Amino acid sequence: AQSVTQLDSQVPVFEEAPVELRCNYSSSVSVYLFWYVQYPNQGLQLLLKYLSGSTLVKGINGFEAEFNKSQTSFHLRKPSVHISDTAEYFCAVLRVTGGGNKLTFGTGTQLKVEL
Amino acid sequence: EAQVTQNPRYLITVTGKKLTVTCSQNMNHEYMSWYRQDPGLGLRQIYYSMNVEVTDKGDVPEGYKVSRKEKRNFPLILESPSPNQTSLYFCASAGGLGQPQHFGDGTRLSIL
Repeated sequence: AQSVTQLDSQVPVFEEAPVELRCNYSSSVSVYLFWYVQYPNQGLQLLLKYLSGSTLVKGINGFEAEFNKSQTSFHLRKPSVHISDTAEYFCAVLRVTGGGNKLTFGTGTQLKVEL
Repeated sequence: EAQVTQNPRYLITVTGKKLTVTCSQNMNHEYMSWYRQDPGLGLRQIYYSMNVEVTDKGDVPEGYKVSRKEKRNFPLILESPSPNQTSLYFCASAGGLGQPQHFGDGTRLSIL
């Protein structure tokens, strides 16, 4: 079985400050990793993904994430946040097997950017 | 425009009254899935479908049914809704194994 842990349910940060949203996963097989963002009253939008290759992946809106296999982590970072980044962020793990496209989500981290 | 469309967006109904939430995608994706989102629990998969006539249970399938008669449509059926199925529901589709999922805008169901 696989699981995804987002330790921080809420992260308050001032505008223009850096932010890191943490994600750890457990899986006995290879995985693909994703971060999704959900703005209020909207569906989920893909921020970035790690499928293979370089462990540092860049996404939309200036976000990036680093895949660390030894620590089974995929933390999301942004060097300088904006008020418009206020949203809920979900880490997700896709198990790589022939049996299906099963995506497991973390419980989400609410990022609140303040002036 | 590539999109996943869910209907209705909002529904308030009563216990036991059968309802269907439709989901349609225009990207010719083989994979489709339904999730429910509850505070503090993130998104949990209800059912998924790898292709037409191929469906399988996710993590929380109890009380739900699905069908996949056509590639573009994947309706979610609640035969006898109960209050614990009050939630925000999302449909998603993906082009293949390992591909990111595209989500609809969500359907908020309230079962009284």
